[in-house]
Amino acid sequence: GQQLNQSPQSMFIQEGEDVSMNCTSSSIFNTWLWYKQDPGEGPVLLIALYKAGELTSNGRLTAQFGITRKDSFLNISASIPSDVGIYFCAGQTNYGGATNKLIFGTGTLLAVQP
Amino acid sequence: DAGVIQSPRHEVTEMGQEVTLRCKPISGHNSLFWYRQTMMRGLELLIYFNNNVPIDDSGMPEDRFSAKMPNASFSTLKIQPSEPRDSAVYFCASSPGRRNTGELFFGEGSRLTVL
Repeated sequence: GQQLNQSPQSMFIQEGEDVSMNCTSSSIFNTWLWYKQDPGEGPVLLIALYKAGELTSNGRLTAQFGITRKDSFLNISASIPSDVGIYFCAGQTNYGGATNKLIFGTGTLLAVQP
Repeated sequence: DAGVIQSPRHEVTEMGQEVTLRCKPISGHNSLFWYRQTMMRGLELLIYFNNNVPIDDSGMPEDRFSAKMPNASFSTLKIQPSEPRDSAVYFCASSPGRRNTGELFFGEGSRLTVL
């Protein structure tokens, strides 16, 4: 089946540092998304990417949809303590107008030291 | 606006017992997903529905698991009989289903412990 591998598995950084994480797939996706999960909560969407090569920002977050459509990366600039959580990439293959299944990556645990 | 509502939030049961998890999606959303999260396997898609119809249940572990969506505002995930390896957090998520944005809205999850 489809697999999404994220790296690194975990990161322990100082407040103010920049963060980079990436996601690779054995399959092509039409949509790449990045979610964040806080403890005791469900994942929440951060950024969505719909075109190969697309670079999108959301505040301090920047994500890119790889040209091959098999990878994506997420950058967080000037990290703050509330950035702590698990970050997941997700890929979706879209057909027609119905929502198709979202496959999640293995997750990157981010810890930020104040 | 109410988000996705799941119940129970926590359940502790004994091996062999039947477990029923419930989900109320966001009103107007026509896609519903059940995921299972464990440390070892991460977030696994179990099944998803479009317009109350199951589209893909290939992630359902085995016959002990079943899911239903009798109407647009309610879904259940049932495990019978439950086993200790079913212990996990089970998430329900819904999506508007239009424009294929890929955005899923997750509930807070149901944490299941099977002793």
